[in-house]
Amino acid sequence: KQEVTQIPAALSVPEGENLVLNCSFTDSAIYNLQWFRQDPGKGLTSLLLIQSSQREQTSGRLNASLDKSSGRSTLYIAASQPGDSATYLCAVRPSWSSGANNLFFGTGTRLTVIP
Amino acid sequence: EPEVTQTPSHQVTQMGQEVILRCVPISNHLYFYWYRQILGQKVEFLVSFYNNEISEKSEIFDDQFSVERPDGSNFTLKIRSTKLEDSAMYFCASSLTGRTNTGELFFGEGSRLTVL
Repeated sequence: KQEVTQIPAALSVPEGENLVLNCSFTDSAIYNLQWFRQDPGKGLTSLLLIQSSQREQTSGRLNASLDKSSGRSTLYIAASQPGDSATYLCAVRPSWSSGANNLFFGTGTRLTVIP
Repeated sequence: EPEVTQTPSHQVTQMGQEVILRCVPISNHLYFYWYRQILGQKVEFLVSFYNNEISEKSEIFDDQFSVERPDGSNFTLKIRSTKLEDSAMYFCASSLTGRTNTGELFFGEGSRLTVL
């Protein structure tokens, strides 16, 4: 079974700092990896989707990388802003036959950007 | 921008009662999903639905749960006899592509279910 771990569980940084969030997964047989943002009591907002054949994806100040063979992904946030404060979740979509339709989520990293 | 919408946003029910959670997926999407998140825990997959039938379900999705697409726009999750442990945030999601493709999932805002 796929296990997804995110480190650290919580992170506080001053505004303007660059930061990296980490995600690791135990089974490298994946179709893709997706990063989400979750505000308290709210739904999941998709940030970036990396296909298994890709190494990275960029959207604005966000850059996500994927090293499938080592089971790792990072989300890099440049020039952090208070509005970036949220919980960031990574989720992998396994490619083994019985699990291709579902995502396995990590527990998330709660980010606080201090003005 | 197209979005997944869910109703109700919060429902409180007594143990043993039936609950129906409703979702309107993005209009041109073909794959639909329900996930749940118990407070403080990971988001967990419940079920996926394609071509008017369940394509996959997790061990959580037992006989108390059912899904339906009653018309061309709605997608519902029914819990027949709620238990205390069903209290969670339930998320609906949809994607344009599915199983053998690399479709991005789009989630709704969630329906918070509280079972007393």
